[in-house]
Amino acid sequence: AQSVTQLGSHVSVSEGALVLLRCNYSSSVPPYLFWYVQYPNQGLQLLLKYTSAATLVKGINGFEAEFKKSETSFHLTKPSAHMSDAAEYFCAVSDSTGNKLVFGAGTILRVKS
Amino acid sequence: DTAVSQTPKYLVTQMGNDKSIKCEQNLGHDTMYWYKQDSKKFLKIMFSYNNKELIINETVPNRFSPKSPDKAHLNLHINSLELGDSAVYFCASSLGLENTEAFFGQGTRLTVV
Repeated sequence: AQSVTQLGSHVSVSEGALVLLRCNYSSSVPPYLFWYVQYPNQGLQLLLKYTSAATLVKGINGFEAEFKKSETSFHLTKPSAHMSDAAEYFCAVSDSTGNKLVFGAGTILRVKS
Repeated sequence: DTAVSQTPKYLVTQMGNDKSIKCEQNLGHDTMYWYKQDSKKFLKIMFSYNNKELIINETVPNRFSPKSPDKAHLNLHINSLELGDSAVYFCASSLGLENTEAFFGQGTRLTVV
């Protein structure tokens, strides 16, 4: 069985500060890992994904994430937060069959001016 | 131009009613999904279909019946609605079973009163 834990249901940063959203996964098979973003009243948009290639994955809007097998982590980072980054972020894991995504509980990112 | 579109966007109905949510994707994908997001924003897969065939049914009550008339459509019919069915329902699609990049619709907010 696979599972995802996102540490911190709410994260608040100042505009221009580093964004760090934490995600730890559990998987009995090599995982595929994803970060999705959900803006208010909208669907989920894929930010980036790890599918067993490079461990440092770059996504859209300046976000990136690093797969660390030893730590079972896939934390999302962005060097400088922008007001438009305020949203809810979901980490998800899938096995290689891709039949389903298992999501974490989400982290709401607030950006202060 | 919307890749994955769901209708209606909002649905308010009384307990005991039967309702349907429609989903269409114009991406040419073979696999479609229904996810449920509860009041705590927890996202969980309900069903997946590949080429109109049911692949995943995640122990969803049989009051929920998905129907896929063709690869581009996956509708969700719910009988005898209950208060606990209130949630946001997301449709998604992916290229195939082994391509895990899922594209999500904007969601249907169902409120049962």
